[in-house]
Amino acid sequence: EPEVTQTPSHQVTQMGQEVILRCVPISNHLYFYWYRQILGQKVEFLVSFYNNEISEKSEIFDDQFSVERPDGSNFTLKIRSTKLEDSAMYFCASSGTGVEQPQHFGDGTRLSIL
Amino acid sequence: SQQGEEDPQALSIQEGENATMNCSYKTSINNLQWYRQNSGRGLVHLILIRSNEREKHSGRLRVTLDTSKKSSSLLITASRAADTASYFCAMLSYNNNDMRFGAGTRLTVKP
Repeated sequence: EPEVTQTPSHQVTQMGQEVILRCVPISNHLYFYWYRQILGQKVEFLVSFYNNEISEKSEIFDDQFSVERPDGSNFTLKIRSTKLEDSAMYFCASSGTGVEQPQHFGDGTRLSIL
Repeated sequence: SQQGEEDPQALSIQEGENATMNCSYKTSINNLQWYRQNSGRGLVHLILIRSNEREKHSGRLRVTLDTSKKSSSLLITASRAADTASYFCAMLSYNNNDMRFGAGTRLTVKP
């Protein structure tokens, strides 16, 4: 069964540095999402992306964050000038032809800011 | 916000028993979905119920939706140790494309 893949599985970065988290969504999906989950807390929506542009973003997704689909397969989340509180699991998800469809999640990238 | 509230926060049962988890939300929804998360892994979609549906079944899973009470429940029948995981409800509203998750129920099934 096709799956969403995320790399790296664990990223350790110094505070203030930039990180790029990578995702390869399921190939025929059209909607892409990023979520984060701080340890022990709920999954929080960050952003949705469709037709090469952001369709929704949460209050968490401020100017520090950006997303890009640089080619036909990758979907990236960039975090500029990382802070300690950015430490979390970051999950990528994709869904098929409509936002009403189930989302398929990757196994996440654990981001640790030192 | 249509973020959900789930109860209980944690549930511990014996193998073979049924597990019921509840989710409440605040605003109108397009659909409500249930996901499962094993420790350290991504979320796995279990079942989706649309706002005009009242009940859905999938194997040992039964989901109900009461839009008048803005609540949903997930029932797992004849539980197994492998069902041990966190279970989240997630709401998709009519007004936007973001899906908001509840805080989850941590289910432990003892063999």
